[in-house]
Amino acid sequence: DVKVTQSSRYLVKRTGEKVFLECVQDMDHENMFWYRQDPGLGLRLIYFSYDVKMKEKGDIPEGYSVSREKKERFSLILESASTNQTSMYLCASRLGGAGEKLFFGSGTQLSVL
Amino acid sequence: GQQLNQSPQSMFIQEGEDVSMNCTSSSIFNTWLWYKQEPGEGPVLLIALYKAGELTSNGRLTAQFGITRKDSFLNISASIPSDVGIYFCAGQLKAAGNKLTFGGGTRVLVKP
Repeated sequence: DVKVTQSSRYLVKRTGEKVFLECVQDMDHENMFWYRQDPGLGLRLIYFSYDVKMKEKGDIPEGYSVSREKKERFSLILESASTNQTSMYLCASRLGGAGEKLFFGSGTQLSVL
Repeated sequence: GQQLNQSPQSMFIQEGEDVSMNCTSSSIFNTWLWYKQEPGEGPVLLIALYKAGELTSNGRLTAQFGITRKDSFLNISASIPSDVGIYFCAGQLKAAGNKLTFGGGTRVLVKP
């Protein structure tokens, strides 16, 4: 079974802190994604990566950056956390290409105070 | 980006009932997907639809890809308590690099 592991289930940070959310997948998937989930808004794509060292902006990239130095790891970075970034963050991966199944991690609930 | 309108936002189910939910879009998709998220977990794929008009079942779940390619629905027959969770539709468009656009979700709860 594919496993997508997010390093923290819950995080509490202060406004202005730099925050790192880590995601690791164990199936040699090429594509990795970061979404945020907010009630009533569904999942919105922040950033994605189709290969190592590659990154593309999603629909809501403002206030975020990403890093993909190794194929299995995709990190989401909040340079200066703000209260409106309080949310559930979901990482996902897939092998690559159209129609490939997307596998999600269990999520990180981030609270910014 | 594209918008997906999913309804209802929430619903209560009684064991044994059939329930349905749907998604509509202002533009077309090549693929429609339905996911379920249980508490404390990430979404898991239930059904994938690849052709307009396609009707696909997975156990008690049935989903259809609308003929106009702008909508999809999911039915759950004879609901049971473990059907609770949040159900998301998602559309995928090749021209958009196969990115998924998600609906707002339908939260399914059990009637007390």
